[in-house]
Amino acid sequence: KAGVTQTPRYLIKTRGQQVTLSCSPISGHRSVSWYQQTPGQGLQFLFEYFSETQRNKGNFPGRFSGRQFSNSRSEMNVSTLELGDSALYLCASSLALAGELFFGEGSRLTVL
Amino acid sequence: GIQVEQSPPDLILQEGANSTLRCNFSDSVNNLQWFHQNPWGQLINLFYIPSGTKQNGRLSATTVATERYSLLYISSSQTTDSGVYFCAVLIQGGSEKLVFGKGTKLTVNP
Repeated sequence: KAGVTQTPRYLIKTRGQQVTLSCSPISGHRSVSWYQQTPGQGLQFLFEYFSETQRNKGNFPGRFSGRQFSNSRSEMNVSTLELGDSALYLCASSLALAGELFFGEGSRLTVL
Repeated sequence: GIQVEQSPPDLILQEGANSTLRCNFSDSVNNLQWFHQNPWGQLINLFYIPSGTKQNGRLSATTVATERYSLLYISSSQTTDSGVYFCAVLIQGGSEKLVFGKGTKLTVNP
């Protein structure tokens, strides 16, 4: 059974650009959540989707957005990139709400 | 919001030694997970343990939900155990998000 797949794995952008990250959950999992990891702030919750609906959103500016498709795949978008957006972005899926989470390998974003 | 504290922040061991990592949390939780972050950044599931005790090889974990703490035991440590160990909790009656501790960085020397 394939795990959580995130693409791209690495990317470099410049300030002001936008970026879209993709996450394919484990087959059958309907809940997808996103986390940002930085050395200074640690692991922080971005948002969570279940059955194409955003259920929760973390304390991030509106430049961070996401969506989930009918096949449970999810994308997150960051617009008007800032240097501080450089981070490892991790996606997790679970079979049900409040269930065990499984993480992908992450997308490492560098903003120059 | 809920606070998750892990101790110690750093731990250096010789290969073969045993260790105990601790996770304290400030509120009731629906679930608790332990992860090991590999050098490439992926969070590897170790235990899903909202309460009770589980064992998996040289690793075991115990969560005492009523006292709001969890322990991760690593026995006969190996160099491959090195990395950062995170505890994460899902808060009860609230949003479905994991709140992570700051992690314990474990270094196992040969």
